[in-house]
Amino acid sequence: AQSVTQLGSHVSVSEGALVLLRCNYSSSVPPYLFWYVQYPNQGLQLLLKYTTGATLVKGINGFEAEFKKSETSFHLTKPSAHMSDAAEYFCAVSDPGGGYNKLIFGAGTRLAVHP
Amino acid sequence: SQTIHQWPATLVQPVGSPLSLECTVEGTSNPNLYWYRQAAGRGLQLLFYSVGIGQISSEVPQNLSASRPQDRQFILSSKKLLLSDSGFYLCAWSSAGGGQPQHFGDGTRLSIL
Repeated sequence: AQSVTQLGSHVSVSEGALVLLRCNYSSSVPPYLFWYVQYPNQGLQLLLKYTTGATLVKGINGFEAEFKKSETSFHLTKPSAHMSDAAEYFCAVSDPGGGYNKLIFGAGTRLAVHP
Repeated sequence: SQTIHQWPATLVQPVGSPLSLECTVEGTSNPNLYWYRQAAGRGLQLLFYSVGIGQISSEVPQNLSASRPQDRQFILSSKKLLLSDSGFYLCAWSSAGGGQPQHFGDGTRLSIL
């Protein structure tokens, strides 16, 4: 069965610093990969996705992620953190052969941004 | 453009009372629909998904049920709520076909007293 591991339930950075949120998956075949952001008491918003093609994916709000098959990773980065980036971030995978676009989510990483 | 609506935004219910949460999608046809629960400080748990009217798949045994009476309407129900049903409930939709992302509503905060 597929699983997703997000290393670090809490990450704290200073405003202007690099943001790195880690995501590793376990799957026998490369899955489809997604990053979502959740602000307090709101639903999840899609940041970016990888299905096929270029392994470096750019998303909204200046975020990007790189699919590394050899490392089974899909880490999320942003060069310079803003206060507005403080939120919870979820990595998710779906099985290309599984149908129904069912997502398996990681446990989430809460990002704090300090002035 | 497509939109998804969930209501109510917050709900406080006594133990043993019934529940009905509604989700509707606009701007698309024959979407896949999903219900999730997010317990405090935890990730998302898929409860139900549906690929068409009247087609419901349950992911975990529980006190809840789901129905899809219309193409773009998804309802989460319970006959008798338990304390453990408290949480943040999210509805989502996706287009059919592989690799399609899910798009989420704003959620319902359910508190059981």
